[in-house]
Amino acid sequence: AQKITQTQPGMFVQEKEAVTLDCTYDTSDPSYGLFWYKQPSSGEMIFLIYQGSYDQQNATEGRYSLNFQKARKSANLVISASQLGDSAMYFCAMREGDDMRFGAGTRLTVKP
Amino acid sequence: KAGVTQTPRYLIKTRGQQVTLSCSPISGHRSVSWYQQTPGQGLQFLFEYFSETQRNKGNFPGRFSGRQFSNSRSEMNVSTLELGDSALYLCASSLGLADSTDTQYFGPGTRLTVL
Repeated sequence: AQKITQTQPGMFVQEKEAVTLDCTYDTSDPSYGLFWYKQPSSGEMIFLIYQGSYDQQNATEGRYSLNFQKARKSANLVISASQLGDSAMYFCAMREGDDMRFGAGTRLTVKP
Repeated sequence: KAGVTQTPRYLIKTRGQQVTLSCSPISGHRSVSWYQQTPGQGLQFLFEYFSETQRNKGNFPGRFSGRQFSNSRSEMNVSTLELGDSALYLCASSLGLADSTDTQYFGPGTRLTVL
Protein backbone atom coordinates (compact mmCIF):
# COMPACT_ATOMS: atom_id res chain seq x y z
CA ALA A 1 0.00 0.00 0.00
CA GLN A 2 1.17 3.50 -0.81
CA LYS A 3 2.37 5.08 2.41
CA ILE A 4 3.39 8.48 1.08
CA THR A 5 1.22 10.36 -1.39
CA GLN A 6 2.17 13.49 -3.26
CA THR A 7 -0.84 14.40 -5.37
CA GLN A 8 0.73 17.23 -7.36
CA PRO A 9 2.96 15.95 -10.17
CA GLY A 10 3.83 19.51 -11.13
CA MET A 11 3.46 22.97 -9.65
CA PHE A 12 4.19 26.46 -10.92
CA VAL A 13 4.88 29.49 -8.77
CA GLN A 14 5.83 33.07 -9.52
CA GLU A 15 9.20 34.21 -8.23
CA LYS A 16 9.00 35.78 -4.74
CA GLU A 17 5.65 34.16 -3.98
CA ALA A 18 5.02 31.36 -1.49
CA VAL A 19 4.10 27.83 -2.55
CA THR A 20 2.77 24.78 -0.72
CA LEU A 21 3.66 21.25 -1.78
CA ASP A 22 1.27 18.61 -0.49
CA CYS A 23 2.16 15.35 1.22
CA THR A 24 -0.09 12.87 2.99
CA TYR A 25 1.04 9.71 4.70
CA ASP A 26 -0.38 6.56 6.16
CA THR A 27 0.85 4.91 9.32
CA SER A 28 -0.43 3.32 12.50
CA ASP A 29 2.89 3.70 14.25
CA PRO A 30 2.79 6.52 16.83
CA SER A 31 6.48 7.22 16.30
CA TYR A 32 7.58 8.35 12.87
CA GLY A 33 9.61 11.02 11.15
CA LEU A 34 8.73 13.10 8.12
CA PHE A 35 11.33 14.50 5.74
CA TRP A 36 11.44 16.69 2.68
CA TYR A 37 14.16 16.52 0.05
CA LYS A 38 14.95 18.68 -2.97
CA GLN A 39 16.38 17.15 -6.13
CA PRO A 40 17.68 19.63 -8.73
CA SER A 41 18.38 18.49 -12.26
CA SER A 42 21.91 17.55 -11.19
CA GLY A 43 20.41 14.55 -9.38
CA GLU A 44 21.59 14.96 -5.82
CA MET A 45 18.87 14.71 -3.17
CA ILE A 46 19.25 17.56 -0.71
CA PHE A 47 17.76 17.24 2.77
CA LEU A 48 15.56 20.23 3.58
CA ILE A 49 13.57 19.71 6.76
CA TYR A 50 12.50 17.16 9.37
CA GLN A 51 9.39 16.82 11.53
CA GLY A 52 9.01 14.25 14.28
CA SER A 53 5.59 12.81 15.06
CA TYR A 54 5.84 13.97 18.67
CA ASP A 55 6.99 17.48 17.83
CA GLN A 56 4.50 20.03 19.07
CA GLN A 57 5.59 22.81 16.76
CA ASN A 58 5.91 22.91 13.00
CA ALA A 59 9.50 22.62 11.80
CA THR A 60 11.12 25.57 10.08
CA GLU A 61 14.43 25.93 8.27
CA GLY A 62 15.03 29.30 6.70
CA ARG A 63 12.50 29.74 3.89
CA TYR A 64 11.18 26.21 4.39
CA SER A 65 8.47 25.31 6.86
CA LEU A 66 6.50 22.16 7.34
CA ASN A 67 2.76 22.43 7.93
CA PHE A 68 2.23 19.34 10.08
CA GLN A 69 -1.39 18.32 10.63
CA LYS A 70 -1.18 15.08 12.53
CA ALA A 71 -4.88 14.26 12.64
CA ARG A 72 -5.11 14.67 8.87
CA LYS A 73 -1.82 12.83 8.37
CA SER A 74 -0.45 15.59 6.22
CA ALA A 75 2.98 17.19 6.14
CA ASN A 76 2.94 19.94 3.55
CA LEU A 77 6.09 21.84 2.66
CA VAL A 78 5.79 25.61 2.44
CA ILE A 79 8.47 27.54 0.57
CA SER A 80 8.32 31.27 1.13
CA ALA A 81 9.67 33.90 -1.24
CA SER A 82 10.36 31.46 -4.07
CA GLN A 83 13.59 31.84 -6.00
CA LEU A 84 14.50 30.61 -9.46
CA GLY A 85 16.92 28.17 -7.84
CA ASP A 86 14.00 26.48 -6.09
CA SER A 87 12.98 24.88 -9.39
CA ALA A 88 13.48 21.16 -8.75
CA MET A 89 11.76 17.92 -7.80
CA TYR A 90 10.63 17.74 -4.19
CA PHE A 91 10.18 14.46 -2.35
CA CYS A 92 8.34 13.80 0.87
CA ALA A 93 9.51 10.82 2.92
CA MET A 94 8.50 9.04 6.08
CA ARG A 95 10.56 6.91 8.42
CA GLU A 96 9.12 4.30 10.78
CA GLY A 97 11.98 2.70 12.67
CA ASP A 98 14.46 1.56 10.06
CA ASP A 99 11.95 1.69 7.19
CA MET A 100 12.13 4.77 4.96
CA ARG A 101 9.55 5.44 2.23
CA PHE A 102 9.48 8.17 -0.41
CA GLY A 103 6.64 9.76 -2.31
CA ALA A 104 6.58 10.07 -6.10
CA GLY A 105 7.66 13.69 -5.96
CA THR A 106 6.39 17.06 -7.15
CA ARG A 107 8.16 19.04 -9.84
CA LEU A 108 8.22 22.72 -8.91
CA THR A 109 8.89 25.36 -11.53
CA VAL A 110 9.53 28.93 -10.45
CA LYS A 111 8.66 31.49 -13.09
CA PRO A 112 10.55 34.80 -13.34
CA LYS B 1 32.51 17.93 7.21
CA ALA B 2 32.68 16.22 3.83
CA GLY B 3 29.43 15.00 2.35
CA VAL B 4 28.58 11.66 0.81
CA THR B 5 30.71 10.83 -2.19
CA GLN B 6 29.89 8.42 -4.96
CA THR B 7 32.13 7.12 -7.70
CA PRO B 8 32.00 7.01 -10.59
CA ARG B 9 29.52 9.74 -11.44
CA TYR B 10 28.75 8.35 -14.89
CA LEU B 11 29.03 4.89 -16.38
CA ILE B 12 28.22 3.37 -19.71
CA LYS B 13 28.07 -0.41 -19.93
CA THR B 14 26.68 -2.99 -22.32
CA ARG B 15 24.16 -5.71 -21.61
CA GLY B 16 25.60 -8.70 -19.84
CA GLN B 17 28.44 -6.83 -18.21
CA GLN B 18 28.72 -6.21 -14.51
CA VAL B 19 29.32 -2.97 -12.65
CA THR B 20 30.50 -1.87 -9.21
CA LEU B 21 29.51 1.45 -7.68
CA SER B 22 31.13 2.94 -4.62
CA CYS B 23 29.83 5.14 -1.84
CA SER B 24 31.71 6.84 0.99
CA PRO B 25 29.42 8.04 3.77
CA ILE B 26 29.73 11.10 5.95
CA SER B 27 32.34 10.61 8.64
CA GLY B 28 30.77 8.99 11.69
CA HIS B 29 27.80 7.59 9.80
CA ARG B 30 27.48 3.84 10.00
CA SER B 31 24.49 3.22 7.76
CA VAL B 32 24.54 3.28 3.98
CA SER B 33 21.40 2.83 1.91
CA TRP B 34 21.18 2.41 -1.84
CA TYR B 35 18.34 3.52 -4.10
CA GLN B 36 17.56 3.17 -7.77
CA GLN B 37 15.79 6.05 -9.43
CA THR B 38 14.15 5.81 -12.85
CA PRO B 39 11.58 8.08 -14.51
CA GLY B 40 9.03 5.28 -14.61
CA GLN B 41 9.47 3.70 -11.17
CA GLY B 42 10.61 6.65 -9.11
CA LEU B 43 12.88 6.10 -6.13
CA GLN B 44 13.17 2.46 -5.17
CA PHE B 45 15.01 1.10 -2.14
CA LEU B 46 17.67 -1.49 -2.87
CA PHE B 47 19.29 -2.28 0.47
CA GLU B 48 20.76 -0.85 3.63
CA TYR B 49 24.01 -1.76 5.31
CA PHE B 50 24.87 -1.07 8.91
CA SER B 51 28.10 -2.12 10.59
CA GLU B 52 29.05 -4.32 7.63
CA THR B 53 25.74 -6.23 7.74
CA GLN B 54 22.79 -5.94 5.44
CA ARG B 55 19.98 -4.71 7.65
CA ASN B 56 17.22 -4.20 5.09
CA LYS B 57 16.60 -5.29 1.55
CA GLY B 58 14.20 -4.09 -1.11
CA ASN B 59 12.50 -6.12 -3.79
CA PHE B 60 15.26 -6.48 -6.36
CA PRO B 61 16.67 -9.61 -8.03
CA GLY B 62 19.81 -11.27 -6.76
CA ARG B 63 21.83 -9.62 -9.54
CA PHE B 64 21.92 -6.62 -7.24
CA SER B 65 24.24 -7.07 -4.31
CA GLY B 66 26.22 -4.95 -1.94
CA ARG B 67 28.66 -4.90 0.87
CA GLN B 68 30.02 -2.58 3.48
CA PHE B 69 33.54 -2.33 4.75
CA SER B 70 34.82 -1.68 8.26
CA ASN B 71 35.29 2.03 7.46
CA SER B 72 31.57 2.18 6.50
CA ARG B 73 32.30 2.63 2.79
CA SER B 74 29.91 0.62 0.70
CA GLU B 75 29.91 -0.90 -2.75
CA MET B 76 27.01 -2.01 -4.86
CA ASN B 77 27.37 -4.57 -7.62
CA VAL B 78 25.04 -5.34 -10.49
CA SER B 79 25.81 -8.44 -12.51
CA THR B 80 24.53 -9.42 -15.95
CA LEU B 81 23.33 -5.93 -16.74
CA GLU B 82 20.00 -5.44 -18.49
CA LEU B 83 18.72 -2.41 -20.39
CA GLY B 84 16.25 -1.77 -17.57
CA ASP B 85 19.10 -1.27 -15.11
CA SER B 86 19.79 2.12 -16.67
CA ALA B 87 19.10 4.53 -13.83
CA LEU B 88 20.45 6.99 -11.32
CA TYR B 89 21.82 5.09 -8.34
CA LEU B 90 21.77 7.09 -5.16
CA CYS B 91 23.57 6.33 -1.96
CA ALA B 92 22.46 7.78 1.36
CA SER B 93 24.27 7.76 4.66
CA SER B 94 22.92 8.17 8.17
CA LEU B 95 23.92 7.54 11.74
CA GLY B 96 21.97 4.30 11.58
CA LEU B 97 19.85 4.93 14.64
CA ALA B 98 17.01 2.80 13.23
CA ASP B 99 14.47 5.17 14.71
CA SER B 100 12.27 7.86 13.26
CA THR B 101 14.83 10.65 13.73
CA ASP B 102 17.54 9.08 11.58
CA THR B 103 18.14 11.49 8.70
CA GLN B 104 19.56 10.28 5.41
CA TYR B 105 22.01 12.44 3.50
CA PHE B 106 22.46 11.63 -0.15
CA GLY B 107 25.40 11.59 -2.48
CA PRO B 108 25.39 13.05 -6.00
CA GLY B 109 24.50 9.70 -7.55
CA THR B 110 25.96 7.50 -10.25
CA ARG B 111 24.19 7.65 -13.57
CA LEU B 112 24.39 4.24 -15.23
CA THR B 113 23.51 3.74 -18.88
CA VAL B 114 23.24 0.22 -20.22
CA LEU B 115 23.46 -0.13 -24.01
